[in-house]
Amino acid sequence: DIQMTQSPSTLSASVGDRVTITCRASQSISTWLAWYQQKPGKAPKLLIYKASSLESGVPSRFSGSGSGTEFTLAISSLQPDDFATYYCQQYSSYSTFGQGTKLEIK
Amino acid sequence: QVQLQESGPGLVKPSETLSLTCTVSGYSISSGYYWGWIRQPPGKGLEWIGTISHSGTTYYNPSLKSRVTISVDTSKNQFSLKLTSVTAADTAVFYCVGMTYYRGSGIVDYWGQGTVVSVSS
Repeated sequence: DIQMTQSPSTLSASVGDRVTITCRASQSISTWLAWYQQKPGKAPKLLIYKASSLESGVPSRFSGSGSGTEFTLAISSLQPDDFATYYCQQYSSYSTFGQGTKLEIK
Repeated sequence: QVQLQESGPGLVKPSETLSLTCTVSGYSISSGYYWGWIRQPPGKGLEWIGTISHSGTTYYNPSLKSRVTISVDTSKNQFSLKLTSVTAADTAVFYCVGMTYYRGSGIVDYWGQGTVVSVSS
């Protein structure tokens, strides 16, 4: 099984900050990686697929990068609506999610 | 617009079988997406359970494979989940999803609202 490890588990930031979240795979997954945003009591929402492709309708302040075993989700200028929990997902072999990163207001 | 809605019991007894159905609207289940189930225990992360094609080809999480069956009914535009021998560890929000298929699973384009299933006597 491919394990996905996100860091940090919790991130405190302010509106306007640039933040990054890291996701590491236990083996190479090429660029078969997606990022999702989840707000409390809601289903997740797809942000990024194929490591760096922005889903239609997602603001351009979100970006993804990486390949192999290390990946990054960046948010260039935090907006109030961005405070949520973020998950990475590998789909190179079946599917596994990271444990999540909670982005909270400082 | 593709919409998914889960239905089924919210409470299941230990050792029994959890059964959920997902009804898809706004899209024919035979048209091309794959369909699946993802769960989220209270306060925890997401776990992929399995995926099915419109023709019935299935892919299951190896850690759950012995207990999971996913089936599709194209005449009703529905697909279903059965999870046998449940324990308290199976308590979770269960999401039915529509996926773009890649390599046994895929990316989730559409989510149901989620349904809470508790396992308790």
